[in-house]
Amino acid sequence: DTGVSQNPRHKITKRGQNVTFRCDPISEHNRLYWYRQTLGQGPEFLTYFQNEAQLEKSRLLSDRFSAERPKGSFSTLEIQRTEQGDSAMYLCASSLAYLPEQYFGPGTRLTVT
Amino acid sequence: DAKTTQPNSMESNEEEPVHLPCNHSTISGTDYIHWYRQLPSQGPEYVIHGLTSNVNNRMASLAIAEDRKSSTLILHRATLRDAAVYYCILRDGNYGQNFVFGPGTRLSVLP
Repeated sequence: DTGVSQNPRHKITKRGQNVTFRCDPISEHNRLYWYRQTLGQGPEFLTYFQNEAQLEKSRLLSDRFSAERPKGSFSTLEIQRTEQGDSAMYLCASSLAYLPEQYFGPGTRLTVT
Repeated sequence: DAKTTQPNSMESNEEEPVHLPCNHSTISGTDYIHWYRQLPSQGPEYVIHGLTSNVNNRMASLAIAEDRKSSTLILHRATLRDAAVYYCILRDGNYGQNFVFGPGTRLSVLP
């Protein structure tokens, strides 16, 4: 399978705990994006990387959120001290820098209890 | 980012054409029009994009108004698998990196 993969697919955590999600992009894609989607809404942009550099962050990305792409391949999104409002689907996408199409993974559904 | 307006929902019969409208009256000259769709329990998938001219690919056609203030995604023969939320998105070709998704149009396909 050469698509974008995300792990875990589902995560249930208690408020105040830290969680980390992983995204493996399509292998030759140098851009990687994180989005968040709540029920009934379209995805909201969080941040994106070109290779290992984090080039843009949304104002939605509070200090509790951090994303890394250390070797320009896979990426992790960590949420510290989770809140109930963090419950959402977290989507990862990748693309080639010179092409407009983004390829999305299946997402990680986070439930904060 | 320029905004788009789409109907909340539409219905179509299987094997009939579907025309999904999108209004973007504040579009700028460098904004590309992108369409993505999201099937249930999946991430969005690319459908088509264009700048000024009409575009065709194996999935759909994109008709862009001459003044570029509106566009229409055309599915030539709807199948049950086309039931999804369709998003019309503008992205600046020079500076935009991320997509700004609206709520989209939920398309139901009736057998």
